[in-house]
Amino acid sequence: AQTVTQSQPEMSVQEAETVTLSCTYDTSESDYYLFWYKQPPSRQMILVIRQEAYKQQNATENRFSVNFQKAAKSFSLKISDSQLGDAAMYFCAYRRNNNDMRFGAGTRLTVKP
Amino acid sequence: DAGVTQSPTHLIKTRGQQVTLRCSPKSGHDTVSWYQQALGQGPQFIFQYYEEEERQRGNFPDRFSGHQFPNYSSELNVNALLLGDSALYLCASSSPSDRDGETQYFGPGTRLLVL
Repeated sequence: AQTVTQSQPEMSVQEAETVTLSCTYDTSESDYYLFWYKQPPSRQMILVIRQEAYKQQNATENRFSVNFQKAAKSFSLKISDSQLGDAAMYFCAYRRNNNDMRFGAGTRLTVKP
Repeated sequence: DAGVTQSPTHLIKTRGQQVTLRCSPKSGHDTVSWYQQALGQGPQFIFQYYEEEERQRGNFPDRFSGHQFPNYSSELNVNALLLGDSALYLCASSSPSDRDGETQYFGPGTRLLVL
């Protein structure tokens, strides 16, 4: 069974600094998708970035980028130039063949002014 | 472009009652998934609907049932409510035929409190 592990329950970063959130997953498949979602106190799960496993190039979206290490089954999220609005719960997720999405337990990110 | 919508936003019920939650998918999406998110945890998959049929189901009892309508909107029904059913219920939509078909887009959720 595919599992997703986020080993950092909480992280803190100074405004304008860079922070990296960790995620590992377990799968025997070679073709799948990985995601990072942000959930602010408003509760809505917002897509931050996605990575197709068949692509070697790491995905980037403005200040957000990932370090995808397929052999190590690692998928970390780097947030550059952190802003107060980045404060939220961040969830790493795995999905394959349009089946259910598997989530990690989440990392709560605090941004200090 | 309308995103995923859910209703109601909040709901309070008592043990033993029944509840119905509603979801309208993002425009152009035909697949709806439901998740339960307990406080401080990641979402847990309940079931997925496609072409008006339950396509996949997670580890939830039969008290949890659903429906998908021809316009792709969906309902989640929970019977004989338990205190442990208190959670945020999230609806997500996607479309397998889309270029980013594996991406799910989430609604704002329904907060259910069972007393």
